[in-house]
Amino acid sequence: GENVEQHPSTLSVQEGDSAVIKCTYSDSASNYFPWYKQELGKGPQLIIDIRSNVGEKKDQRIAVTLNKTAKHFSLHITETQPEDSAVYFCATLYPGTALIFGKGTTLSVSS
Amino acid sequence: ETGVTQSPTHLIKTRGQQVTLRCSSQSGHNTVSWYQQALGQGPQFIFQYYREEENGRGNFPPRFSGLQFPNYSSELNVNALELDDSALYLCASSPAALALSGANVLTFGAGSRLTVL
Repeated sequence: GENVEQHPSTLSVQEGDSAVIKCTYSDSASNYFPWYKQELGKGPQLIIDIRSNVGEKKDQRIAVTLNKTAKHFSLHITETQPEDSAVYFCATLYPGTALIFGKGTTLSVSS
Repeated sequence: ETGVTQSPTHLIKTRGQQVTLRCSSQSGHNTVSWYQQALGQGPQFIFQYYREEENGRGNFPPRFSGLQFPNYSSELNVNALELDDSALYLCASSPAALALSGANVLTFGAGSRLTVL
């Protein structure tokens, strides 16, 4: 079945710096790649997603890039703020099944 | 527009007992998925319900079962609880049209935290 590897598991940055989280997947048939943010005591919340026919998507300070040949995709957060501190999960959708999640990255932004 | 609501938020059970968790989907959503999130891990897919029938299942034993009701709300039942069942159980809903098209935009609830002693 599909497997998603996410790195790093923890990431600490200074406020204003950029943060990058990377995920690799195993099945080339995967066609949808969302990123979720989970704050303490809450469920995961979708922050950005990309489909297989697009290479990059940006929404204000957040961007996602997809390299289908290499089977990896990345989340980029620029000008980080303390409220960006949370656990971030990547996921992939293999057609006909459910979302498969990575193990998460704990992002800490210090001011 | 109401989001996904889950109950109870926390509960403690002992090994061998049974538990029922409940979920109300977001308005306009008629597909419900359940995920198990162990501490420090990503959510793992348990199963999905669409039109009151199971529409996909992850690698979980039959003692994990579910229901979906005509109002699209759902229940997750776990029998013969084991210590390893301790986790956050997440319910997520999605519009059926998106689910069937292959893009599964999920809206998650805050979860039910189950502790098995």
